[in-house]
Amino acid sequence: QSALTQPASVSGSPGQSITISCTGTSSDVGGYNFVSWYQQHPGKAPKFMIYEVSNRPSGVSNRFSGSKSGNTASLTISGLQAEDEADYYCSSYTSSATWVFGGGTKVTVL
Amino acid sequence: EVQLVESGGGLVQPGKSLRLSCAASGFTFTTYWTHWVRQAPGKGLVWVSRIRNDGIETNYADSVKGRFTISRDNAKNTVYLQLNSLTAEDTAVYYCGRVPMAAGGMGIDHWGQGTLVTVSS
Repeated sequence: QSALTQPASVSGSPGQSITISCTGTSSDVGGYNFVSWYQQHPGKAPKFMIYEVSNRPSGVSNRFSGSKSGNTASLTISGLQAEDEADYYCSSYTSSATWVFGGGTKVTVL
Repeated sequence: EVQLVESGGGLVQPGKSLRLSCAASGFTFTTYWTHWVRQAPGKGLVWVSRIRNDGIETNYADSVKGRFTISRDNAKNTVYLQLNSLTAEDTAVYYCGRVPMAAGGMGIDHWGQGTLVTVSS
């Protein structure tokens, strides 16, 4: 049950687009379309942002989008805003009927 | 309003036990899986365990298997996590969250605010 691999940090200027990658294996990310993404501000509980690779829950801005290719999933934030500065985590269902999270990516708005 | 409220955290000595609770309200509890996820201070999210709506199926991360036990009381809309043989590495905020039974791979759509467990002598 190794953690999914995410970059430690990603940064961008307001209005720009950034992409966060999430790399697993064929036993998790590559084997299922059960990848979800979460946003977490300091001291707060995580917030549900994307489910089943590319679906947005109601209330989540359409500036957030998800995709997957092979064993790597990605979260793209377009039109970056100051409020997007937070930690982001991917998660996937696994072939062991467990779940695994990525190590997290700190997004900085320059 | 959907609410998940964790309780039971605190300071505990290494080797001791603790039971966490996750009380749910504002939705039909028996149509959801319940998961536990933990976060050590300054670290990332780590999945711990989940339990199906009927309490029959449970799954655990390797790091806690054999030490932690998840259970639920649907009459009380509450899920429990029994933590045994605690070590300093179990120090974390423990969150509970729900996942719809109808879409078990969907992800955790609501989270509680967490309860802090500190293991120290």
